[in-house]
Amino acid sequence: DTGVSQNPRHKITKRGQNVTFRCDPISEHNRLYWYRQTLGQGPEFLTYFQNEAQLEKSRLLSDRFSAERPKGSFSTLEIQRTEQGDSAMYLCASSLTDEAFFGQGTRLTVV
Amino acid sequence: GENVEQHPSTLSVQEGDSAVIKCTYSDSASNYFPWYKQELGKRPQLIIDIRSNVGEKKDQRIAVTLNKTAKHFSLHITETQPEDSAVYFCAAIWGAQKLVFGQGTRLTINP
Repeated sequence: DTGVSQNPRHKITKRGQNVTFRCDPISEHNRLYWYRQTLGQGPEFLTYFQNEAQLEKSRLLSDRFSAERPKGSFSTLEIQRTEQGDSAMYLCASSLTDEAFFGQGTRLTVV
Repeated sequence: GENVEQHPSTLSVQEGDSAVIKCTYSDSASNYFPWYKQELGKRPQLIIDIRSNVGEKKDQRIAVTLNKTAKHFSLHITETQPEDSAVYFCAAIWGAQKLVFGQGTRLTINP
């Protein structure tokens, strides 16, 4: 499969726990994006990388959220001390030029 | 700040009729405008895009028009079919790299 891959597909966690998601972009795509999507809403920008450099992080993102792309390939998104409001679909996308291709997402449920 | 407004939020048309979804954007420097289709439980899929150097682009039954002066662009679907039922998102490039999405339009094709 040469598309964007995200793992896990689903995650249920208790409030206060930490979670980490992984995104493997399409090979050679230098841009990688993280978005959050709640039911009935459009993807909300969280952060993005150009190679290994994190170029922008949403002002809406609290300090509990951190993302890395250590070698400019896969990326991880960590949420510390999860809250019920963090429940959402977390989408990753990658691009080489402007066309961005999405992964299937990780659905997080905080109970 | 960056903003993409999308209308309507829901749209219902008879099979065979046309559907039009409109978006406006706030960053006059935006030069890339994609449209995504998202079916229930699936990832957003790029269906068509347009760059600022053209005013219209067509791909079979779908077309996109762009008015840079007014900062709005539209998706047109002709001869709608039941499989066109989905949520459609417009987006615009912000700051030359960040992709910002509209709120989405739920399109229902009635047989």
